[in-house]
Amino acid sequence: LAKTTQPISMDSYEGQEVNITCSHNNIATNDYITWYQQFPSQGPRFIIQGYKTKVTNEVASLFIPADRKSSTLSLPRVSLSDTAVYYCLVGAMNTGFQKLVFGTGTRLLVSP
Amino acid sequence: GAVVSQHPSWVICKSGTSVKIECRSLDFQATTMFWYRQFPKQSLMLMATSNEGSKATYEQGVEKDKFLINHASLTLSTLTVTSAHPEDSSFYICSARPPGLAGVADTQYFGPGTRLTVL
Repeated sequence: LAKTTQPISMDSYEGQEVNITCSHNNIATNDYITWYQQFPSQGPRFIIQGYKTKVTNEVASLFIPADRKSSTLSLPRVSLSDTAVYYCLVGAMNTGFQKLVFGTGTRLLVSP
Repeated sequence: GAVVSQHPSWVICKSGTSVKIECRSLDFQATTMFWYRQFPKQSLMLMATSNEGSKATYEQGVEKDKFLINHASLTLSTLTVTSAHPEDSSFYICSARPPGLAGVADTQYFGPGTRLTVL
């Protein structure tokens, strides 16, 4: 399983765009990149997933360069409720069950 | 999206007693479920993989006789913490993976977690 590296913490203000970058130098050809959000005392919540280039949904965008050795989660116009821990994970495409290995995550603090 | 529930959401027990935590997939069948443990300010640690109809697969360092896992049906997995001690106090989270579609990446959905406090 590819190991991921993220900043431990980030600070932002309401209304700003936040970009969290994750490094995964050993990503395999079949690996997808998935981001989860976790609030205190709750289970992680799926945010977005991608394989290459750019993926966008109603919550976030995910940018993946051609070499796929990193990815950036972009949260547009964050609010106080976006304060959470964000985890970047890589895992294989659907070939059976796939256990997820969580890294340290990035603790995002959004201030007024 | 897929919904996973856990019961109870929190439990307090005396040292030496056993506690059972349930994990259910509400709107899909899950042949595989996963159990995690999370200590305060730390990341999730995978404890074991629960397979319907067969024995669970435990991660290195996790005592299988202490953390009993039963995956009795395609929608229910249980984790029993036997002879609990204060050091077992933690946040326990399960996840489940909906049946896959060809070419679709693996996505897991997590339960809300169970806070266990052992006195």
